[in-house]
Amino acid sequence: DQQVKQNSPSLSVQEGRISILNCDYTNSMFDYFLWYKKYPAEGPTFLISISSIKDKNEDGRFTVFLNKSAKHLSLHIVPSQPGDSAVYFCAASGLGDDKIIFGKGTRLHILP
Amino acid sequence: GAGVSQSPSNKVTEKGKDVELRCDPISGHTALYWYRQRLGQGLEFLIYFQGNSAPDKSGLPSDRFSAERTGESVSTLTIQRTQQEDSAVYLCASSLVGPAFFGPGTRLTVL
Repeated sequence: DQQVKQNSPSLSVQEGRISILNCDYTNSMFDYFLWYKKYPAEGPTFLISISSIKDKNEDGRFTVFLNKSAKHLSLHIVPSQPGDSAVYFCAASGLGDDKIIFGKGTRLHILP
Repeated sequence: GAGVSQSPSNKVTEKGKDVELRCDPISGHTALYWYRQRLGQGLEFLIYFQGNSAPDKSGLPSDRFSAERTGESVSTLTIQRTQQEDSAVYLCASSLVGPAFFGPGTRLTVL
């Protein structure tokens, strides 16, 4: 049973435009959410996180939005750059259980 | 070094052999995680260590898999009697508070 779902396996976006990556979760005990980026042959790199007490967190070109009632979060990248082409993983952990659960990832292609 | 390190970076073994994968977490990090990523798949949770608490082994796929951690230091993941379906990249991560930081992974190929 997948607790963190990324329903789009891939996404293509024109360079300079906004990339929006989506993630849904099922476990209402999750209170901390993270996004990671992964290049081939490397380990995932932490990008940005958000706790359940907030609905938005911004860091440079990256913004994460959290909608607790819909159990949905999204990562916005603007403007998208060629180096953003990678696999993006959504992840979550919960109160009393710090284990981090990952989604299956979305491959982002930034088109020139 | 400042990051999580893993060894070996690549391991090729024959079906039925045992393998040991090593993870050196970031110094001071109390939590340590093992994940694996099979080809074309997402990150599959295997096991989680947090300080002196009993590890969460709920992700280990079979009793051929085991892991140990020495205090808040090195961890080893052991796979006994390897099978071809064990072929994957095995990733280790560590954290203190907040996000976990990953090592580069060990690519295991079982022939």
